[in-house]
Amino acid sequence: DSGVTQTPKHLITATGQRVTLRCSPRSGDLSVYWYQQSLDQGLQFLIQYYNGEERAKGNILERFSAQQFPDLHSELNLSSLELGDSALYFCASSVGGAGEKLFFGSGTQLSVL
Amino acid sequence: QQQVKQSPQSLIVQKGGISIINCAYENTAFDYFPWYQQFPGKGPALLIAIRPDVSEKKEGRFTISFNKSAKQFSLHIMDSQPGDSATYFCAATLFLRSNDYKLSFGAGTTVTVRA
Repeated sequence: DSGVTQTPKHLITATGQRVTLRCSPRSGDLSVYWYQQSLDQGLQFLIQYYNGEERAKGNILERFSAQQFPDLHSELNLSSLELGDSALYFCASSVGGAGEKLFFGSGTQLSVL
Repeated sequence: QQQVKQSPQSLIVQKGGISIINCAYENTAFDYFPWYQQFPGKGPALLIAIRPDVSEKKEGRFTISFNKSAKQFSLHIMDSQPGDSATYFCAATLFLRSNDYKLSFGAGTTVTVRA
C-alpha cells in the first residue's frame, strides 16, 4: 500500500459528461501529480501541484483541470468527455516538489462509452 | 519529444533467467534515474534508482547498470521469478533550481516470466 488513495476505482460515463477524480496524498507529502495511462501511450504527465499551487504542467487538455485543496487532497476534473479519454488515471505524491520518489495510487479506470 | 527511450516493449524470459531492459536518454543534465515496477491493476512503485556518479547499483536480484558516456542505463533482473512479471518503467529526472525539475518516463517494458 503506497498510502495514496484514489477514488473512485472505476468510473463509467458517457461522452460529453463531466467527472471528478479524487486523490489523497500520503501523509506529509506536499506534491500531487496526475498521470494518464493508456495502452499505447505509457505514462503521460498531466499536471502537478505543490502545497496548493500549480507547479508543473504537461500534456493536459483544456477540457481537463485540477486543483489541490488546503488539506492537500487533489481533484482532477474531466469535462466534455470523449471516447479517447478512456484510460487509467493515476495520482502520485511526493514529499518535495521536484519529481523525486513518487508514490502512486492504484488509479481510477475511466471508461467513456 | 520523448526524452527517454526504452526497449524492448516486451520480453518473455524463463524462470531463473535474466531479464534486461535498456533505456537511453538525450539530456546529459539528467541526474537521477529511477525504475518503477507496475503490477496489473496497481500503480507504479519505485523499485530502484541510481545517480550518474555511480556505474552500478544492486538491490537483491535487481541491478541498474549506468553508462554515462553512452547516455544509457539498464535494469537487470537476475534469477527472474514469475512474481517479477510486471511492467517496468525507466525514468530520468533533472533537478533545477528552486524545486523546478523535469521528469521523463520511458514507454515501459512488459516482462513475462514463464515457470
